[in-house]
Amino acid sequence: SQTIHQWPATLVQPVGSPLSLECTVEGTSNPNLYWYRQAAGRGLQLLFYSVGIGQISSEVPQNLSASRPQDRQFILSSKKLLLSDSGFYLCAWTVGGRLDTQYFGPGTRLTVL
Amino acid sequence: SQQGEEDPQALSIQEGENATMNCSYKTSINNLQWYRQNSGRGLVHLILIRSNEREKHSGRLRVTLDTSKKSSSLLITASRAADTASYFCVSTGANNLFFGTGTRLTVIP
Repeated sequence: SQTIHQWPATLVQPVGSPLSLECTVEGTSNPNLYWYRQAAGRGLQLLFYSVGIGQISSEVPQNLSASRPQDRQFILSSKKLLLSDSGFYLCAWTVGGRLDTQYFGPGTRLTVL
Repeated sequence: SQQGEEDPQALSIQEGENATMNCSYKTSINNLQWYRQNSGRGLVHLILIRSNEREKHSGRLRVTLDTSKKSSSLLITASRAADTASYFCVSTGANNLFFGTGTRLTVIP
């Protein structure tokens, strides 16, 4: 069966520090991968999605970047965090395109102080 | 905004009662999905209803879709305390999908 992992589960970082969140998927090949951010009490905002190694599409301009160094690994990064980067970050994968059923990881709670 | 909106934003019921949540969207859709999110956790897919379907069941879940009104409803029958969570609708169009802002359901034992 397929599983998706995210780490760390929680993170507290000072403003201006770098960020690296990791997401890995097991049990499937060539998944489409997604990074979402969820602000407190709000819906999800799609940040990035990837259809293959090295292929990244950005949905919104921001202080973040994403990379896909391996087929089942998706990384969310920032060189300098802002207060507004605080939120709940969710990684997800689909078998087909972005309109398919999304399977979510457990999320990372990021607090920028 | 093309995002969907859930109604109500929060719902509190007694265990055993039925819970109904509504979702409205703005553009034509291919399908509409409902997800559940326990506090501080990832989202779990519950059910998908296609644009040519009007009603779908899965266990204690019943989803309806009215494309003329651009709305959907999720009914949870015989609610349990474990149903306490946030519920999101996701409208899927030709090229994009949009998450609603969610309904926070609390089932009181």
